[in-house]
Amino acid sequence: GQQLNQSPQSMFIQEGEDVSMNCTSSSIFNTWLWYKQDPGEGPVLLIALYKAGELTSNGRLTAQFGITRKDSFLNISASIPSDVGIYFCAGPNSGTYKYIFGTGTRLKVLA
Amino acid sequence: NAGVTQTPKFQVLKTGQSMTLQCAQDMNHNSMYWYRQDPGMGLRLIYYSASEGTTDKGEVPNGYNVSRLNKREFSLRLESAAPSQTSVYFCASSWLQAYNEQFFGPGTRLTVL
Repeated sequence: GQQLNQSPQSMFIQEGEDVSMNCTSSSIFNTWLWYKQDPGEGPVLLIALYKAGELTSNGRLTAQFGITRKDSFLNISASIPSDVGIYFCAGPNSGTYKYIFGTGTRLKVLA
Repeated sequence: NAGVTQTPKFQVLKTGQSMTLQCAQDMNHNSMYWYRQDPGMGLRLIYYSASEGTTDKGEVPNGYNVSRLNKREFSLRLESAAPSQTSVYFCASSWLQAYNEQFFGPGTRLTVL
């Protein structure tokens, strides 16, 4: 079945640094979603992408839908301590409307 | 609006006990979902309901049953809990099933001893 691989699995960064993470699929996706999960909470949608090549921003966050449609990227600029959490990518499983989620990138920001 | 609410927040069961996890949404969404989250595994779909009156299996349905009680409510039942069902359970909803953003509840942390 389809899988979503996220990298890196975890990262420590200094406050103020920029962060990049990515998500790759073994097959084509028509939608990419990026979620953030704070400790003890449910995931919250950050950005949704619907078209190959699309670049969408939400404040300091920018996500891109890869041209091959098999990958997506999330960048966070000028990180702050509240960016701590787990970032998930997600997309609909091929031929179905069931979403699959990546294993997440755990971000820790050092003040 | 409360969004998606789940009860209880925490639960401890003994092996073989049964329980029902409750989920409700007030966003007039058509589709609802149950996921489980295990360390290092991301979220895995257990069951979903594309619309009121329909339910279907997800990736890991064994050991679970669901009921779409009405448009607002979608419950998950464990008939005979097993330690392998220790997990954090999330309910989510979306306007439509196809290619739409899902909104998640705060989760239920379940431990089966």
